[in-house]
Amino acid sequence: GDSVTQMEGPVTLSEEAFLTINCTYTATGYPSLFWYVQYPGEGLQLLLKATKADDKGSNKGFEATYRKETTSFHLEKGSVQVSDSAVYFCALPLGSSASKIIFGSGTRLSIRP
Amino acid sequence: KAGVTQTPRYLIKTRGQQVTLSCSPISGHRSVSWYQQTPGQGLQFLFEYFSETQRNKGNFPGRFSGRQFSNSRSEMNVSTLELGDSALYLCASSLGTSGRRTYNEQFFGPGTRLTVL
Repeated sequence: GDSVTQMEGPVTLSEEAFLTINCTYTATGYPSLFWYVQYPGEGLQLLLKATKADDKGSNKGFEATYRKETTSFHLEKGSVQVSDSAVYFCALPLGSSASKIIFGSGTRLSIRP
Repeated sequence: KAGVTQTPRYLIKTRGQQVTLSCSPISGHRSVSWYQQTPGQGLQFLFEYFSETQRNKGNFPGRFSGRQFSNSRSEMNVSTLELGDSALYLCASSLGTSGRRTYNEQFFGPGTRLTVL
């Protein structure tokens, strides 16, 4: 069935370090792919999305490229900040209206000053 | 534009009781989805309502039910609570238009933290 596999956390980095969080998916057809972020005590926010193969989603310095050949959607940021500390979820929307979302297990990111 | 609101934000119940959670979507949104978030199982889809009808359903027992009103507000009910129902319950709203498949961004509320003792 449809699924999302995400890199286990927690991940701890120093400020200005390079970040990669791996995500691979299994799905029929050509779904959209998302990254959501959850800051402490808050709900989820859509960070970025890609709707077709080779699309690159970007927002707030984060990027992810939809790779159909490797079924991957890895999240990257060139220089992380303390304010990036949060839990990141890779996600796969399903259904005719894409309203059912399958989430990865989440990766907790902590950035040291 | 006001975001998705959920009430109450925190709730403590005992085993065997039932609970009702409420979600008010963004104005103009007709779809409301519910998710359960636990440390062990992560984020899991419960169900989605669109125009007062359940359109999608996850793999949860019948103790979990929901409904949607004509103003798109939604409620979720859990009967005969078990300890394992302790979780953060998130609701999300979207335009939810049907027809040709397009992505409708879901906007999440802050969640209701349910603790079952």
